[in-house]
Formats: sequence, structure tokens, C-alpha cells
Amino acid sequence: AQSVTQLGSHVSVSEGALVLLRCNYSSSVPPYLFWYVQYPNQGLQLLLKYTSAATLVKGINGFEAEFKKSETSFHLTKPSAHMSDAAEYFCAVSYNTNAGKSTFGDGTTLTVKP
Amino acid sequence: DAGVIQSPRHEVTEMGQEVTLRCKPISGHDYLFWYRQTMMRGLELLIYFNNNVPIDDSGMPEDRFSAKMPNASFSTLKIQPSEPRDSAVYFCASRAGRAYGYTFGSGTRLTVV
Repeated sequence: AQSVTQLGSHVSVSEGALVLLRCNYSSSVPPYLFWYVQYPNQGLQLLLKYTSAATLVKGINGFEAEFKKSETSFHLTKPSAHMSDAAEYFCAVSYNTNAGKSTFGDGTTLTVKP
Repeated sequence: DAGVIQSPRHEVTEMGQEVTLRCKPISGHDYLFWYRQTMMRGLELLIYFNNNVPIDDSGMPEDRFSAKMPNASFSTLKIQPSEPRDSAVYFCASRAGRAYGYTFGSGTRLTVV
């Protein structure tokens, strides 16, 4: 079955440190990959997406992600964490072969320490 | 564009009452999704529509839940009768196609007492 795995349900970094949130997918067909962010008491917001163009994708708020087919990964990074980055992050995947829905990971809660 | 609009933002109701949640998707988006989010179960897909037609309702927990999309600009999720375990945040989302990301609404926080 096609799925998404987010390694680490909680990640804590210091302000100014590198943020790395991991996402791996299982698929035998080319995927569309997405990262979403959810701030408290809000809906999910699209951060960035990969749709078979450039493998390094830049998103909002200084985040970027790199698609690595050989590793079936789409990890999210940000060079320097800010307090405002504290939120829950979801990785999601969809395909042309499924019926149009995305499969979401379980989410990773990012804490930023001052 | 005002984005995906959900109403109400908060709903408190008594067990056994009917609850109707509403969603207006983004104009031109042909997919509409209903999700439920709780601390225990995370984000769950309940049902989704493509061009107003229900495609997959396998996530609807029980017959007490029903969803409709009478036209491209409106959808409802109804719970009748409601139970305390239905308490959750319900999100509506829409998208333009499989290669596009979802746009989520702000959610409806439902509390059943």
C-alpha cells in the first residue's frame, strides 16, 4: 500500500539551529509530494510541493525540501529556526494512479527553544 | 480569493442532537475533502468528492454521518444523532487536481456534551 512515514513525532531545536523533518514514502510510481504546516487552532497550510520538476523545492517561510528518488525521501529543512516555526508539520503524497486523494503522515511537532 | 470557508467555527451541542457543518470550497477546485482531527486519532479522511460526486466514503465512521455536495460551491457534513465521541475539529479542504496541494478551511471545532 502506498504510504507516508514521518520519522519522529516530536522534534526540538534551538532558535537559530537547523531544522530537519523527515519524510519517506513508499511508491512504485512517481509521486506528488507535499509539506503542510499547522499552527495552533488553524487549518493546515501548504508549505511546498514537488511535482516532478526541480528536485529541490523552495517553499514559504524559508523552508525547502529535496526529493530523493533513490532514498524515497522528501525531507523538510530550514537553515535557521525561528520561534514562529513552532507548529505541527505534515508530509503528504498523492499519485496519478490513485483516485485523487493524498495520504498524510502522522505529523511532526516542532518545538523551538529560545 | 477568500479561501475555503467553513461554518460555524465552533459548535457546542448536546448528545442526540443533529449537527450540520458547512463548507464553501474555492471556486474552480473540483475536489472537496472532509477530514476530522483529534489528539487520539490524528487527521482522518472522512469522505471526498470529485465534481460534486462522492468518490470514497469509507472513512465515514457510522451511518450517523452523512455528507452532500449539491453543487460546486457548497457541501455539508451532517451528524445525526451526535455523540460525545464525535467531538473533534472537522476540516474541509479543496484542491484543483492531483498535482495540486490542498487548501484547508479554518475548521469547525465540535463539542458534544
